[in-house]
Amino acid sequence: NAGVTQTPKFRILKIGQSMTLQCTQDMNHNYMYWYRQDPGMGLKLIYYSVGAGITDKGEVPNGYNVSRSTTEDFPLRLELAAPSQTSVYFCASSYSGQGADEQYFGPGTRLTVT
Amino acid sequence: DAKTTQPTSMDCAEGRAANLPCNHSTISGNEYVYWYRQIHSQGPQYIIHGLKNNETNEMASLIITEDRKSSTLILPHATLRDTAVYYCIVRSAGGTSYGKLTFGQGTILTVHP
Repeated sequence: NAGVTQTPKFRILKIGQSMTLQCTQDMNHNYMYWYRQDPGMGLKLIYYSVGAGITDKGEVPNGYNVSRSTTEDFPLRLELAAPSQTSVYFCASSYSGQGADEQYFGPGTRLTVT
Repeated sequence: DAKTTQPTSMDCAEGRAANLPCNHSTISGNEYVYWYRQIHSQGPQYIIHGLKNNETNEMASLIITEDRKSSTLILPHATLRDTAVYYCIVRSAGGTSYGKLTFGQGTILTVHP
């Protein structure tokens, strides 16, 4: 299994541009998550999904959109990039959100908005 | 989810045990204690979790006090590759938490030769 994969690894955007961060998992996990990590800080949840067709907001959803058309994929969309969105973005997945269930993280996408 | 308190940083000599403490005094009965680590901006890596009993796996041991208000992660023989930020996280077993992990700032563990 490849686990959780993310593309691209790095990206530089100009203010106002749009982009989609891709996330794919091959573990048949139901739950998927997007986190962002600012320098020197812990991760903060942006959006999550409990299954195909179902998404919901996390702690910091403003400026982002998500979709979940398949079990495997959970793309994160930035519509109008702002400097405040400069961060490292991590996608994660788990079989369920219940009980003693670990999350598997991807390698991250480092985004700079200038 | 209950809040956790960890020291900002710790040092450990290579080959010695690293003992990382975590305080979670407001933990409730159905909340698990999880430990993740993050090596140099990579994605966080799961280490271990527990509810009430002490736990051990191939990476580490988790000691939870009887009142569950604190815990200690033990890396029995630390190596240079264990240098990382270690996050102690309390997570609800179910309900509306949807598996959310709330990351604090963690403990920066530096293993010295």
